[in-house]
Amino acid sequence: QLQVQESGPRLVKPSETLALTCTVSGGSIDTNSYYWGWIRQPPGGGLEWIGNIYHTGSTYYNPSLKSRVTIAIDASKIQFSLRLTSVTATDTAVYYCVREAAAGTAHWGQGILVTVSS
Amino acid sequence: EIVMTQSPATLSVSPGERATLSCRASQTVSRNLAWYQQKPGQAPRLLIYGSFTRATGIPARFSGSGSGTEFTLTISSLQSEDFAVYYCQQYNNWFRTFGQGTKVEIK
Repeated sequence: QLQVQESGPRLVKPSETLALTCTVSGGSIDTNSYYWGWIRQPPGGGLEWIGNIYHTGSTYYNPSLKSRVTIAIDASKIQFSLRLTSVTATDTAVYYCVREAAAGTAHWGQGILVTVSS
Repeated sequence: EIVMTQSPATLSVSPGERATLSCRASQTVSRNLAWYQQKPGQAPRLLIYGSFTRATGIPARFSGSGSGTEFTLTISSLQSEDFAVYYCQQYNNWFRTFGQGTKVEIK
């Protein structure tokens, strides 16, 4: 059973960089047909797609975040990561790592609440 | 950007009744539409993909329909565990977008 799990700092200061890692277990990360992505949800708000990455390294980003986002993959560690620079309070959210497929996004991490505050 | 608009924002339904949720896309997404259920403090759960295919383990009371720009999620007979927020998401475009959600609450 494939599982994904987020990890990283839960508190980030304004203007600094948010960095999260997603660890994949129960399956391979370098499998065709799947994208590995990040989705966030501000407190009390809706879902916002951040971006995704294929095992080859090709990426797609939400245009509204593109200038600040980097998603990378480390197949040897079965991990992928999210970096979001120059954060502000509006970046406070629960961040989910996911596996995307043509059959929808069936695999979600439990989510990690990241608060941007000094 | 494909904008997804869900209606209504809140739906008040009695247990055992039928619930119909709508999702409209600003341009065609073919059948590349998924529905998710989210309960407080939990990650979203995939219910439907490809507009009408139930995900693994999803009860038959959940059904999806539609194509192009108009989609519907129907819950035939609401159970207590179905009261939650429901999101639609298009994945026809590389830039995936979600609707703002419909909260299904107990009437």
